[in-house]
Amino acid sequence: GAVVSQHPSRVICKSGTSVKIECRSLDFQATTMFWYRQFPKQSLMLMATSNEGSKATYEQGVEKDKFLINHASLTLSTLTVTSAHPEDSSFYICSAITGAKNIQYFGAGTRLSVL
Amino acid sequence: GENVEQHPSTLSVQEGDSAVIKCTYSDSASNYFPWYKQELGKGPQLIIDIRSNVGEKKDQRIAVTLNKTAKHFSLHITETQPEDSAVYFCAARNQAGTALIFGKGTTLSVSS
Repeated sequence: GAVVSQHPSRVICKSGTSVKIECRSLDFQATTMFWYRQFPKQSLMLMATSNEGSKATYEQGVEKDKFLINHASLTLSTLTVTSAHPEDSSFYICSAITGAKNIQYFGAGTRLSVL
Repeated sequence: GENVEQHPSTLSVQEGDSAVIKCTYSDSASNYFPWYKQELGKGPQLIIDIRSNVGEKKDQRIAVTLNKTAKHFSLHITETQPEDSAVYFCAARNQAGTALIFGKGTTLSVSS
């Protein structure tokens, strides 16, 4: 299947700092990418839909000023967690849709730990 | 919006047995139903999917069935192996290009 690369795989930061997570489609162009958040032993919760060249669409309850999403090219979307706090600690996963069948592929995820 | 229910939340089987996981969805317009396998600390991996124009799809030991009338779909794994142990998620989507909505997951444990 198509490859979605996510970096970093793990990040530990101090409370109040900002963290950027990158999501790249390696062998295809993705006009649409998605960002999910997953707490331990829970399902994937959609945070936002990232569209190349336009503003992201955030799900209800997700603070757009806290979770900044930029999709500047057809192969790269970034999620910046601003002024991170311990409650932002979670597993963040990006995904992208490709092909005529619109199959959604996922990155390996980023484990964020805020101290 | 779409709501996907998944059962059971945990499933333990002996190696070689079959495992069945069931999901229901609420939006009758949903037309795409993938299943993902997630191992600890990793992203979900697509294992099989089905679209609303078919009732069943099979890929070696894995099969998925879809009942549009009842709005439910199921994952069937035969001849389970210890490496099948993981969390399995069902999902649904009603429009191409939109995000998948996931069930809450099933933790499958296959003991040898």
